[in-house]
Amino acid sequence: GAVVSQHPSRVICKSGTSVKIECRSLDFQATTMFWYRQFPKQSLMLMATSNEGSKATYEQGVEKDKFLINHASLTLSTLTVTSAHPEDSSFYICSARTGGAVGNEQYFGPGTRLTVT
Amino acid sequence: QKEVEQDPGPLSVPEGAIVSLNCTYSNSAFQYFMWYRQYSRKGPELLMYTYSSGNKEDGRFTAQVDKSSKYISLFIRDSQPSDSATYLCATSQTGANNLFFGTGTRLTVIP
Repeated sequence: GAVVSQHPSRVICKSGTSVKIECRSLDFQATTMFWYRQFPKQSLMLMATSNEGSKATYEQGVEKDKFLINHASLTLSTLTVTSAHPEDSSFYICSARTGGAVGNEQYFGPGTRLTVT
Repeated sequence: QKEVEQDPGPLSVPEGAIVSLNCTYSNSAFQYFMWYRQYSRKGPELLMYTYSSGNKEDGRFTAQVDKSSKYISLFIRDSQPSDSATYLCATSQTGANNLFFGTGTRLTVIP
C-alpha cells in the first residue's frame, strides 16, 4: 500500500515553455501532498505543501507564480513550472501523507527529472 | 544550526558487514523519526518509522532513537549489494506537516 506515482518521469522542454507534473496517490487518499526538488548529491528541499481544496503553502524563496500547485482532489496534485529556464532543471519529487497517519510519514513518488534547454 | 545533521559519507563496506548510519537533531520537540532509502534517480522509499525513544526492528533493519542525546540510528545487518543507496533520516513534531531531512549518507556495499 501507500503507492505514489508521478508523471512524466522525465521531461525535456525549451526555455520559456511551461511544464506540468502530476502526482497521484494510487491506493489511499492524500489530504496533504508535498513538492520537493533535489539537486544532484543533495538532500530534498521542500518547495510547497498543498492540502486538497485549498491554496498551497510555499516555502520561503519559492516563487508561487512560477511554481503553480493545484491539489484538485484527494488523489491528485499537479505542479506546473511556468516559463521554465535552465536553472529550473532539477529532480522534482512529490510526496503524500494520509489523513489518518498516526505520525508524519510521507510516501514519495518516483520523481520527475526536468531538463530545460 | 541545522535541524538535522547527518554525515554524508560516502560509506563503503564489504558484503555481510553491519552498517551503522546516524543522525543528530536539535529540536527536543521532535517525536517522530523516519529512515528513507533512495536509489539513484529514484524517489525516497520509507524504510522505518518510530515514535519517541526506543528500538524498532524489521528484518535486517533496526532503527534506534535516543531522545536524551537527540541521536537516531539505523543498523543494517548482513548488508547486501542491493542495499547500496543513499539513506536519509527525517524527523518531525507530531501533528506537524514538515519533515526535516538529513543530507543523506551514500552507502556502497561491495560484493
